[in-house]
Amino acid sequence: DQQVKQNSPSLSVQEGRISILNCDYTNSMFDYFLWYKKYPAEGPTFLISISSIKDKNEDGRFTVFLNKSAKHLSLHIVPSQPGDSAVYFCAASGNYGGATNKLIFGTGTLLAVQP
Amino acid sequence: KAGVTQTPRYLIKTRGQQVTLSCSPISGHRSVSWYQQTPGQGLQFLFEYFSETQRNKGNFPGRFSGRQFSNSRSEMNVSTLELGDSALYLCASAQGGQITDTQYFGPGTRLTVL
Repeated sequence: DQQVKQNSPSLSVQEGRISILNCDYTNSMFDYFLWYKKYPAEGPTFLISISSIKDKNEDGRFTVFLNKSAKHLSLHIVPSQPGDSAVYFCAASGNYGGATNKLIFGTGTLLAVQP
Repeated sequence: KAGVTQTPRYLIKTRGQQVTLSCSPISGHRSVSWYQQTPGQGLQFLFEYFSETQRNKGNFPGRFSGRQFSNSRSEMNVSTLELGDSALYLCASAQGGQITDTQYFGPGTRLTVL
């Protein structure tokens, strides 16, 4: 049962344009969400997070939006740069049943930013 | 601060053998989690240790075990290796016990089982 889903395996965007990566979840007990960026043969790098009490969090070029009623979050990258090309994972966790620090990851979206 | 370090970076073993992977968390972090990444299953949670106690466990067989030492360093052990255990094993550390404590990942150990 895939509790966190990233339905787009890949996305291609022109440099300077906006990249929008989407993520859906099914478990209503999740209340903390994160985005990680990953290059091949490296560990994931933390990008940005959002708590369920917020609907938006911004950090430089990265903004995460959370729609709790739709169980949907998205990551916006503006403007996109070639160095942003990587696999992006969304992850979720919650304070239920002792699940603290147990991240459930989506399957990832490969972002390619074309110069 | 130094990041999360994992040793070794690459490992080749044969079926039936056992393996121990090591993780040193960021200084001051007390939580260490382990994840397995495979092409078919993606990133899956193995277990988490906090102050030397296993606090969470994922859905993996008992062949996968771990421990944490008093200095927060952690080891993961896989016994009776199977071909399907070939994967990138990632360790992540977090400061404490809050879900808002960001988990920072190490570079991983690439395990190949022949």
